[in-house]
Amino acid sequence: DIVMTQTPLSLSVTPGQPASISCKSSQSLLHSDGKTFLSWYLQKPGQSPQLLIFELSSRFSGVPDRFSGSGSETDFTLRISRVEAEDVGVYYCMQSKDLPRTFGQGTKVELK
Amino acid sequence: EVQLTESGGDSVQPGGSLRLSCAASGIIFSSHWMSWLRQAPGKGLEWVGNIKEDGSEKYYVDSVKGRFTISRDNAKNSVYLQINSLRVEDTAMYYCARDMGAFDFWGQGTMVTVSS
Repeated sequence: DIVMTQTPLSLSVTPGQPASISCKSSQSLLHSDGKTFLSWYLQKPGQSPQLLIFELSSRFSGVPDRFSGSGSETDFTLRISRVEAEDVGVYYCMQSKDLPRTFGQGTKVELK
Repeated sequence: EVQLTESGGDSVQPGGSLRLSCAASGIIFSSHWMSWLRQAPGKGLEWVGNIKEDGSEKYYVDSVKGRFTISRDNAKNSVYLQINSLRVEDTAMYYCARDMGAFDFWGQGTMVTVSS
């Protein structure tokens, strides 16, 4: 199975400041079709997870442009340009290149 | 508006069985893979398995193979998760999600508690 490792596991951010979360995979997520099957999710307190970014860097419909995804074959980053109060929760990366789909441990983001 | 609504969660004893359901609306259900995922209390997300548009292919995480079965009824816009031989470690919120490679739409979840 592909192991996904996130850092840090918790993050305290001042509103209006940037934040970034790292995710590393144990194998390349670059498919032969040129796509990288890495997605990011946010689970707000008491809610179901919601998709933020898919295929490495594509924002899902309705996701604010302060969220961006980047990276290469095994190293990925989610950046929030200016953290807002509604961004608190747990962020997960997930690979969908191989089965089983696997998630990172999650990064809890809170406000200072 | 896309809606996925899970049901069927309950409190059961170890060794018991449950059938979870997920009803979809707002999507052309028969055109999409669907997945089940779960989240143990206070823990992270785990993919359980998925099913192809026509039900001809199904895949599972190793920890549930032989005990969990995913099925679907496209006429009812529904996907199901049959869970047998329940274990304490199966205690979790179970979610269904549309599987586009990424999971773009999720239900609200249904809780399964396994305890003696």
